Amino acid sequence: DTAVSQTPKYLVTQMGNDKSIKCEQNLGHDTMYWYKQDSKKFLKIMFSYNNKELIINETVPNRFSPKSPDKAHLNLHINSLELGDSAVYFCASSRAGTQNEQFFGPGTRLTVL
Amino acid sequence: GDSVTQMEGPVTLSEEAFLTINCTYTATGYPSLFWYVQYPGEGLQLLLKATKADDKGSNKGFEATYRKETTSFHLEKGSVQVSDSAVYFCALRLGNFNKFYFGSGTKLNVKP
Repeated sequence: DTAVSQTPKYLVTQMGNDKSIKCEQNLGHDTMYWYKQDSKKFLKIMFSYNNKELIINETVPNRFSPKSPDKAHLNLHINSLELGDSAVYFCASSRAGTQNEQFFGPGTRLTVL
Repeated sequence: GDSVTQMEGPVTLSEEAFLTINCTYTATGYPSLFWYVQYPGEGLQLLLKATKADDKGSNKGFEATYRKETTSFHLEKGSVQVSDSAVYFCALRLGNFNKFYFGSGTKLNVKP
């Protein structure tokens, strides 16, 4: 019954590797997001897709590439991982309309060694 | 530009104390306002929201009133519990956009 799910929950990898994080929502929402949360809990928007179309693309290194195969999925691929990429990554989704909130996944803790 | 400012933490209170976490916003339109809570090791979850001026959102004993004149949405609770220890985020969403603006988060520690 999970509304927004992410895999994996933990990801430990070496510098220079390439990794992916997957996100799925079963809420029927048309907009999905990726956020990065640093160690001080600051939440930074990275990307947003609406109906599989990229609508928000903040200042993020181009080593990060989102992919939305359909409305219910938004994956994040990271090339050439760096130490500074270590963080918790959250996926979220929302329905159109100002009054509607976002629903967040449980997060993926990425540790780059 | 559009933004949310909330008080820095951590906020440390004793159980049953009164809680206020301040949140002010800057927005070019008429936003909806939200408070989210993040418990340790979990994702953010909606605590309450208000979609127009003078609306009061409430949930689990928490309240916040959308004040357009002071551009504020302060979170309050009359008597906090140890289980309220978490990080609280204030956020806004503007019409015609799918973007949410989050404050920097305020960590609340409640001691028994």
